[in-house]
Amino acid sequence: DGGITQSPKYLFRKEGQNVTLSCEQNLNHDAMYWYRQDPGQGLRLIYYSQIVNDFQKGDIAEGYSVSREKKESFPLTVTSAQKNPTAFYLCASRARGGLTDTQYFGPGTRLTVL
Amino acid sequence: AQKITQTQPGMFVQEKEAVTLDCTYDTSDQSYGLFWYKQPSSGEMIFLIYQGSYDEQNATEGRYSLNFQKARKSANLVISASQLGDSAMYFCAMRGLYSGAGSYQLTFGKGTKLSVIP
Repeated sequence: DGGITQSPKYLFRKEGQNVTLSCEQNLNHDAMYWYRQDPGQGLRLIYYSQIVNDFQKGDIAEGYSVSREKKESFPLTVTSAQKNPTAFYLCASRARGGLTDTQYFGPGTRLTVL
Repeated sequence: AQKITQTQPGMFVQEKEAVTLDCTYDTSDQSYGLFWYKQPSSGEMIFLIYQGSYDEQNATEGRYSLNFQKARKSANLVISASQLGDSAMYFCAMRGLYSGAGSYQLTFGKGTKLSVIP
């Protein structure tokens, strides 16, 4: 089945450590996105990529890094520079063009800093 | 800048009744899209329905319909015949044509928690 997978589902990190969240899609979508969701809040954009080997900062990119070496994969690294990384992280992808340009989401990764 | 406002933090509805979730938006774009997503307790964001700013008809998808009033800048979600499985957070989002330098970035509201009562 086509879809978006994120791993791990739950992630625990000690302060000062970098961690990488995985996002893979087999929808053949060109664009991919990373969002952060805090309790009681909507989603905020961290980074996005419209094509391989290219990505752009979103509204809250500080303390995060990404890469896009393959069309299917868009991993997010939460660095030690991120002051408050505990949150729910959602990855999304979108087909280029199309009438609605709808973004489809993965199941999310819940990151907790101990 | 774009803004989405959802004024109802929580809503209750009786099973089999209809419910309307409010969403108002603000944008200077002439062309834009409006989306509704459902987020169950598992966390995944599930796409429900889309309305384009130039669409003359209100969008419908099964039990979901979008009451689009362009002059009022509102895009309310109507769920007919509520089911227990409809209990979830619901987010309204919009995408401007040129938002984020072509990123098709979505701007989200803070959501409404819907609880369906048996």
